[in-house]
Amino acid sequence: DTEVTQTPKHLVMGMTNKKSLKCEQHMGHRAMYWYKQKAKKPPELMFVYSYEKLSINESVPSRFSPECPNSSLLNLHLHALQPEDSALYLCASSQVGGQGTQYFGPGTRLLVL
Amino acid sequence: GNSVTQMEGPVTLSEEAFLTINCTYTATGYPSLFWYVQYPGEGLQLLLKATKADDKGSNKGFEATYRKETTSFHLEKGSVQVSDSAVYFCALSSGGSNYKLTFGKGTLLTVNP
Repeated sequence: DTEVTQTPKHLVMGMTNKKSLKCEQHMGHRAMYWYKQKAKKPPELMFVYSYEKLSINESVPSRFSPECPNSSLLNLHLHALQPEDSALYLCASSQVGGQGTQYFGPGTRLLVL
Repeated sequence: GNSVTQMEGPVTLSEEAFLTINCTYTATGYPSLFWYVQYPGEGLQLLLKATKADDKGSNKGFEATYRKETTSFHLEKGSVQVSDSAVYFCALSSGGSNYKLTFGKGTLLTVNP
Protein backbone atom coordinates (compact mmCIF):
# COMPACT_ATOMS: atom_id res chain seq x y z
CA ASP A 1 0.00 0.00 0.00
CA THR A 2 1.52 3.30 -1.09
CA GLU A 3 -1.39 5.55 -0.25
CA VAL A 4 -1.22 9.00 1.24
CA THR A 5 -4.61 10.55 1.97
CA GLN A 6 -5.42 14.24 2.30
CA THR A 7 -8.49 16.10 3.49
CA PRO A 8 -10.27 18.17 2.47
CA LYS A 9 -10.03 17.82 -1.30
CA HIS A 10 -11.12 21.42 -1.83
CA LEU A 11 -11.11 24.40 0.54
CA VAL A 12 -12.32 27.96 0.12
CA MET A 13 -11.43 30.40 2.87
CA GLY A 14 -11.44 34.11 3.56
CA MET A 15 -8.35 36.01 4.57
CA THR A 16 -9.46 36.13 8.23
CA ASN A 17 -10.32 32.45 8.55
CA LYS A 18 -8.41 29.69 10.31
CA LYS A 19 -8.44 26.28 8.70
CA SER A 20 -6.36 23.11 8.73
CA LEU A 21 -5.24 20.64 6.09
CA LYS A 22 -4.76 17.02 7.10
CA CYS A 23 -2.56 14.26 5.75
CA GLU A 24 -2.28 10.61 6.75
CA GLN A 25 -0.13 7.68 5.73
CA HIS A 26 0.14 4.11 6.99
CA MET A 27 3.29 3.01 5.20
CA GLY A 28 5.48 3.31 8.31
CA HIS A 29 7.29 6.28 6.81
CA ARG A 30 9.01 8.55 9.30
CA ALA A 31 9.56 11.50 6.96
CA MET A 32 6.60 13.65 5.88
CA TYR A 33 6.47 16.71 3.66
CA TRP A 34 4.29 19.66 2.69
CA TYR A 35 4.57 21.09 -0.81
CA LYS A 36 2.84 23.99 -2.54
CA GLN A 37 2.10 23.75 -6.25
CA LYS A 38 0.95 26.61 -8.43
CA ALA A 39 -0.64 25.98 -11.80
CA LYS A 40 1.74 24.75 -14.51
CA LYS A 41 4.67 24.64 -12.06
CA PRO A 42 6.48 21.86 -10.22
CA PRO A 43 5.83 21.43 -6.49
CA GLU A 44 7.80 23.65 -4.12
CA LEU A 45 8.93 22.21 -0.80
CA MET A 46 7.57 23.98 2.29
CA PHE A 47 8.30 21.77 5.31
CA VAL A 48 9.91 18.43 6.16
CA TYR A 49 9.30 16.41 9.32
CA SER A 50 11.64 13.61 10.30
CA TYR A 51 10.70 11.39 13.24
CA GLU A 52 7.90 13.84 14.06
CA LYS A 53 10.34 16.75 14.39
CA LEU A 54 10.52 19.69 12.01
CA SER A 55 13.80 19.37 10.12
CA ILE A 56 13.34 21.74 7.19
CA ASN A 57 11.37 24.98 6.91
CA GLU A 58 11.90 26.57 3.52
CA SER A 59 11.42 30.11 4.85
CA VAL A 60 7.65 29.71 4.76
CA PRO A 61 5.59 32.64 6.14
CA SER A 62 4.31 32.14 9.68
CA ARG A 63 0.70 32.18 8.48
CA PHE A 64 1.43 28.52 7.61
CA SER A 65 1.99 26.41 10.73
CA PRO A 66 2.80 22.70 10.38
CA GLU A 67 2.21 20.07 13.02
CA CYS A 68 3.08 16.38 13.21
CA PRO A 69 1.07 14.88 16.08
CA ASN A 70 2.29 11.32 15.44
CA SER A 71 4.16 9.26 12.91
CA SER A 72 1.12 8.82 10.64
CA LEU A 73 -0.39 12.29 10.67
CA LEU A 74 0.66 15.68 9.36
CA ASN A 75 -1.35 18.87 9.62
CA LEU A 76 -0.96 22.30 8.08
CA HIS A 77 -2.70 25.07 9.99
CA LEU A 78 -3.65 28.11 7.96
CA HIS A 79 -4.35 31.59 9.32
CA ALA A 80 -4.68 35.02 7.72
CA LEU A 81 -3.77 33.76 4.28
CA GLN A 82 -3.43 35.96 1.21
CA PRO A 83 -5.03 35.40 -2.21
CA GLU A 84 -1.58 34.52 -3.61
CA ASP A 85 -1.55 31.50 -1.28
CA SER A 86 -4.22 29.89 -3.45
CA ALA A 87 -2.64 26.71 -4.79
CA LEU A 88 -2.64 22.91 -4.62
CA TYR A 89 -1.12 21.75 -1.33
CA LEU A 90 0.48 18.34 -1.53
CA CYS A 91 1.55 16.06 1.27
CA ALA A 92 4.18 13.37 0.76
CA SER A 93 5.92 10.73 2.84
CA SER A 94 9.06 8.64 2.56
CA GLN A 95 11.51 6.52 4.45
CA VAL A 96 13.98 8.64 6.38
CA GLY A 97 17.08 9.41 4.32
CA GLY A 98 17.40 11.65 1.32
CA GLN A 99 17.01 8.95 -1.31
CA GLY A 100 13.82 7.54 0.11
CA THR A 101 11.16 7.59 -2.58
CA GLN A 102 8.52 10.21 -1.85
CA TYR A 103 4.87 9.19 -2.24
CA PHE A 104 2.38 11.99 -2.74
CA GLY A 105 -1.23 12.43 -1.74
CA PRO A 106 -3.95 13.75 -4.06
CA GLY A 107 -3.64 17.27 -2.66
CA THR A 108 -5.95 19.93 -1.27
CA ARG A 109 -6.93 22.64 -3.71
CA LEU A 110 -7.08 25.88 -1.71
CA LEU A 111 -8.73 29.09 -2.80
CA VAL A 112 -8.25 32.19 -0.65
CA LEU A 113 -10.76 34.96 -1.26
CA GLY B 1 23.68 22.76 -6.75
CA ASN B 2 21.31 20.18 -8.18
CA SER B 3 19.23 20.88 -11.25
CA VAL B 4 16.96 19.03 -13.67
CA THR B 5 16.28 20.10 -17.22
CA GLN B 6 13.47 18.47 -19.15
CA MET B 7 12.15 19.19 -22.58
CA GLU B 8 9.70 22.02 -22.85
CA GLY B 9 6.18 21.12 -23.78
CA PRO B 10 3.53 20.88 -24.66
CA VAL B 11 3.92 17.62 -26.53
CA THR B 12 1.00 16.50 -28.68
CA LEU B 13 0.91 13.00 -30.13
CA SER B 14 -1.57 10.71 -31.81
CA GLU B 15 -2.60 7.50 -30.11
CA GLU B 16 -0.08 4.65 -30.61
CA ALA B 17 2.77 7.08 -31.36
CA PHE B 18 6.22 6.70 -29.78
CA LEU B 19 6.97 9.00 -26.85
CA THR B 20 10.27 10.42 -25.68
CA ILE B 21 10.57 13.12 -23.02
CA ASN B 22 14.16 14.17 -22.49
CA CYS B 23 15.57 14.77 -19.01
CA THR B 24 19.12 15.69 -18.06
CA TYR B 25 20.45 16.49 -14.62
CA THR B 26 23.28 18.08 -12.67
CA ALA B 27 23.99 16.71 -9.22
CA THR B 28 26.74 16.01 -6.74
CA GLY B 29 27.32 12.42 -5.76
CA TYR B 30 25.05 9.63 -6.93
CA PRO B 31 21.46 10.80 -7.11
CA SER B 32 18.33 8.73 -7.38
CA LEU B 33 16.19 9.65 -10.38
CA PHE B 34 12.41 9.65 -10.69
CA TRP B 35 9.60 10.27 -13.11
CA TYR B 36 6.34 11.45 -11.59
CA VAL B 37 3.06 11.85 -13.47
CA GLN B 38 0.26 14.26 -12.62
CA TYR B 39 -3.13 13.65 -14.21
CA PRO B 40 -5.52 16.61 -14.47
CA GLY B 41 -6.84 17.66 -11.07
CA GLU B 42 -4.77 15.10 -9.16
CA GLY B 43 -1.60 14.81 -7.10
CA LEU B 44 1.72 13.39 -8.23
CA GLN B 45 2.08 9.66 -8.78
CA LEU B 46 5.42 7.92 -8.88
CA LEU B 47 5.76 6.48 -12.37
CA LEU B 48 9.22 4.91 -12.15
CA LYS B 49 12.60 5.34 -10.55
CA ALA B 50 16.24 4.30 -10.77
CA THR B 51 18.78 4.49 -7.98
CA LYS B 52 22.09 3.76 -9.68
CA ALA B 53 23.83 4.03 -13.03
CA ASP B 54 22.53 1.74 -15.81
CA ASP B 55 19.39 0.88 -13.82
CA LYS B 56 16.24 0.83 -15.93
CA GLY B 57 12.97 1.85 -14.30
CA SER B 58 9.75 0.66 -15.91
CA ASN B 59 6.04 0.82 -15.23
CA LYS B 60 2.82 0.81 -17.30
CA GLY B 61 4.82 0.53 -20.54
CA PHE B 62 7.04 3.51 -19.68
CA GLU B 63 10.80 3.09 -19.37
CA ALA B 64 13.79 5.23 -18.43
CA THR B 65 17.47 4.31 -18.07
CA TYR B 66 19.86 6.04 -15.68
CA ARG B 67 22.77 7.15 -17.89
CA LYS B 68 25.59 8.53 -15.77
CA GLU B 69 27.89 9.22 -18.72
CA THR B 70 25.31 11.54 -20.33
CA THR B 71 23.62 12.55 -17.04
CA SER B 72 20.27 11.67 -18.55
CA PHE B 73 17.07 9.84 -17.64
CA HIS B 74 14.85 10.07 -20.72
CA LEU B 75 11.29 8.77 -20.50
CA GLU B 76 10.03 6.55 -23.33
CA LYS B 77 6.90 4.65 -24.24
CA GLY B 78 6.42 2.67 -27.40
CA SER B 79 2.72 3.30 -27.94
CA VAL B 80 0.90 6.06 -26.06
CA GLN B 81 -2.79 6.06 -25.22
CA VAL B 82 -5.26 8.89 -24.68
CA SER B 83 -5.19 8.01 -20.97
CA ASP B 84 -1.47 8.91 -20.83
CA SER B 85 -2.36 12.60 -21.25
CA ALA B 86 -0.85 14.27 -18.19
CA VAL B 87 2.06 16.37 -16.95
CA TYR B 88 5.31 14.44 -16.47
CA PHE B 89 7.97 15.61 -14.01
CA CYS B 90 11.56 14.38 -13.92
CA ALA B 91 13.13 14.66 -10.47
CA LEU B 92 16.25 13.76 -8.53
CA SER B 93 17.15 13.17 -4.92
CA SER B 94 20.78 13.45 -3.96
CA GLY B 95 20.67 11.60 -0.67
CA GLY B 96 22.33 12.15 2.66
CA SER B 97 20.41 14.45 4.97
CA ASN B 98 19.00 16.34 2.02
CA TYR B 99 15.34 15.43 1.73
CA LYS B 100 14.80 17.71 -1.18
CA LEU B 101 13.47 16.52 -4.49
CA THR B 102 14.70 18.69 -7.32
CA PHE B 103 12.06 18.80 -10.07
CA GLY B 104 12.19 19.69 -13.71
CA LYS B 105 9.62 22.18 -14.95
CA GLY B 106 7.26 19.48 -16.19
CA THR B 107 6.14 18.44 -19.66
CA LEU B 108 2.48 18.47 -20.65
CA LEU B 109 1.61 15.53 -22.87
CA THR B 110 -1.63 15.46 -24.83
CA VAL B 111 -2.54 12.30 -26.74
CA ASN B 112 -5.27 12.61 -29.35
CA PRO B 113 -7.43 9.69 -30.54
